[in-house]
Formats: sequence, C-alpha cells, structure tokens
Amino acid sequence: QVQLQQWGAGLLKPSETLSLTCAVYGGSLSSHYYAWIRQSPGKGLEWIGEINHSGTTKYNPSLKSPVTMSVDTSKSQFSLNLTSVTAADTAMYYCAREIRTGSSWYSFDSWGQGTLVTVSS
Amino acid sequence: DIQMTQSPSSLSGSVGDRVTITCRASQSISDYLNWYQQKPGRAPQLLIYAASTLESGVPSRFSGSGFGTDFTFTISSLQPEDFATYYCQQSDSSPRTFGQGTKVEI
Repeated sequence: QVQLQQWGAGLLKPSETLSLTCAVYGGSLSSHYYAWIRQSPGKGLEWIGEINHSGTTKYNPSLKSPVTMSVDTSKSQFSLNLTSVTAADTAMYYCAREIRTGSSWYSFDSWGQGTLVTVSS
Repeated sequence: DIQMTQSPSSLSGSVGDRVTITCRASQSISDYLNWYQQKPGRAPQLLIYAASTLESGVPSRFSGSGFGTDFTFTISSLQPEDFATYYCQQSDSSPRTFGQGTKVEI
C-alpha cells in the first residue's frame, strides 16, 4: 500500500517561491507519474503537472506562476517549485500518484495529506 | 483543454436514496473518465476509473457509466458515509481536468 507524505512552507509573501516535497513510501517511483494538484474555492481541483522517475515532466500551460518539478529517486521524493507566487496561488496543494491500468487508463489512486499554502503580504 | 461540466452542483438526499450525477466533457474522451469522493478536510479518493470500473475496496453501491462525452455516476442506496463531494476527471489528455464537483448533502 503506497503512502504519500508531503511537506513545505505554508505561508508565503507575494513574489516568493512555493516549495513542496512529497515522499513515496511502500512503492517505487518507477512506472508511474507523480502529480501535483491544487484546490482553491474559486477554481476547484487544478492539475499543476506531473513528473516520472526519469525526470520527464508535463506542466499545465494555464498556470501563471512558473512551475518546476524535480525528482530524487534515491530518496523516493519529488518536489514542486512555483516561483513569483501571487494571492491567486493560495490553495490546498496535494501530491498524488497517477497509475496506468491496462493499456491506457490513468487515474490518481494515492494522494498526500495536503498542504495549505497561503500567499499574503 | 478539455472542459468537464458536472451537474448538479449540489443535491440533497436521504439515506437509502438513489443518487445520480452527470459529467459532460467538452470533447470525446472515450472512457478515460474517473470519479473521486472527497470528504471535508481530506484528500480526494478514487472510486471509479475507466468510466465504470470500481476501484478495489469500493462498495458496489457506487457505479459509473458512459462513453464519449456523457457520463453518469450513481449511488444506488445512499449511506450516511456517502455525504461528500464527488468529482469527475478526464485522463484522455493533458492537462488533466476535473469537474467542478457535486456536493451531496443530507
């Protein structure tokens, strides 16, 4: 049973960098993509992007703040950086594992506990 | 981006009721459609993937159907623990997108 545990700073000022890390326990980083998803009252659930064990990334082009994801396979961890945040980046942030079932069905089957990030001056 | 539209946005039900939620995609997504349940203060939990396949351990009162652009999620007999918000999500293409959610209330 894979478990995801995430952490990072919860209070930021505008223009600062949001940094979150997610550790994967009980499973390998290989064979799956690992995603960051955020949830705010105004926009619901929003997929930020995802990364696999080799560092291949997919980002949501609609995000206004620049996004970078990285992976550390030696620690079974992956990370999210969002630079130059604004109040619009205030949200609950989740990490999640995206698994492939069969030939081409993908779903988020395991989630971290969530980190509330508030951007305020 | 593929837009996912759920209806209704909220509904009221009683224990034992049959509840149906619909999800419409802005373009055909075959059966690349997932359903999640979210309770307050918790992360979403996968219930159904590939439009109609129940995730392991999910009670059989939950079901899903549909193909292309129109999908349905049903709870055959509402239980007290089912009061939550439900989301559809497409996995046909990136960016992955979610519906706006349907809150099921007592």
